Parts: sequence; C-alpha cells; structure tokens
Amino acid sequence: QQQVKQSPQSLIVQKGGISIINCAYENTAFDYFPWYQQFPGKGPALLIAIRPDVSEKKEGRFTISFNKSAKQFSLHIMDSQPGDSATYFCAAKRTGGSYIPTFGRGTSLIVHP
Amino acid sequence: DAGVTQSPTHLIKTRGQQVTLRCSPKSGHDTVSWYQQALGQGPQFIFQYYEEEERQRGNFPDRFSGHQFPNYSSELNVNALLLGDSALYLCASSPRPGTSYEQYFGPGTRLTVT
Repeated sequence: QQQVKQSPQSLIVQKGGISIINCAYENTAFDYFPWYQQFPGKGPALLIAIRPDVSEKKEGRFTISFNKSAKQFSLHIMDSQPGDSATYFCAAKRTGGSYIPTFGRGTSLIVHP
Repeated sequence: DAGVTQSPTHLIKTRGQQVTLRCSPKSGHDTVSWYQQALGQGPQFIFQYYEEEERQRGNFPDRFSGHQFPNYSSELNVNALLLGDSALYLCASSPRPGTSYEQYFGPGTRLTVT
C-alpha cells in the first residue's frame, strides 16, 4: 500500500523553465511534508519542507504548494538549471514519535541546457 | 565534520550468504535509521536504533537485524540473502527521537546479490 503517491516518474525541462512534481497522500495523520533531492551516488538530502497549517513555502527557486483538503502537495522549481538534474522524492511524516518519513517513488528530473 | 559515513561502498554477495553493513552517524547525533532503496524506488524504512536498542521497525522480515554500539555507530545484518535484497542501503542519523526533524543520510552501500 503506497501511502505517498508521486508523479510524474520522469520529467524533462529546458533550462529556465518551471519543473513541477506532484504528490498525494492518503493518511491524514501526517504532519510534516519534506522534499528530498538525490544525486547519483549520494544519499537523499533535505531540500525544503512544509507543515499542513501553511499553504505555501518558498526557499529561493524552490516552492512547495500544499492543499490540505485535497491531500496534495507539489514542488515547483523556478528557472530550472542543469545542476537541478537529480531525483526528487516527496515524503510525509506521521504525527508524533520519531522522524521517520514515508517516501514517494521519486521523480527523475533532467534539465537540458 | 565528515557527516554520515557508510562502508563498504559496494558489495557483491551470493544468494544465501550473510552481509554486514556499517554506519557512523554525524557528530552530535545519537540515533541511526536504516533504509532500503530498490532501483527506481524511494527509500523504505527498515528500523531505527537509539540507546543501543531497536526502537521502531518497518515491514521487513527477521532476516534483517541490527546493532548499535556505545559510540552510536551501527551495523545492519542481512541473513540468507535473496536476489530481491539487491538495493542501495542507506543509513540516516538524527538527534534523540522526538526532538527534531533533522536527519542526514549517508551515501549508501550498494548491495548486489547474485
């Protein structure tokens, strides 16, 4: 049972374009929604995160949009750069307890120069 | 600060064998979590160790076991290896459970079972 569904599986964007990755969750007991970036040969690294009491969070070129009623959240990468080429994972953490995120299946992003 | 380190980087084992993977947490962190990342998938939580005890466990069989040492480093052991155990095994360290959402991943150990 996949609790965090992520789409698309892969994404190709031109340099300067906007990359959009979407996620949906099923469990209302999630209270923290991080996005991770993973480069080949590296472990995932936290990129940006949001709590459900906020509808949007922006950090530089990266923005999370959160729709609590629809149980959906998305990552927008503005002015996409070739260096953004990586695999992106959305995740969700259950309320209370340890920080153990449940990950989506990932989106492979390629930004063409 | 070296961050989270894992060894070995790559490992090739035969079906039925046993394997041990190692992890050293980031300085200041005392909690270690292990994840399995199959090709093309997101990381799946295996278990978490704190104060040398397994605190939480994901949906993995008993063939997967672990240990945490007094210096907070940790080992992941997998017995009776199956072809399906081929994956990237990630270690993540964090402060004491429930105190922070901070978590750092190591580069992983790529295990291939033939």
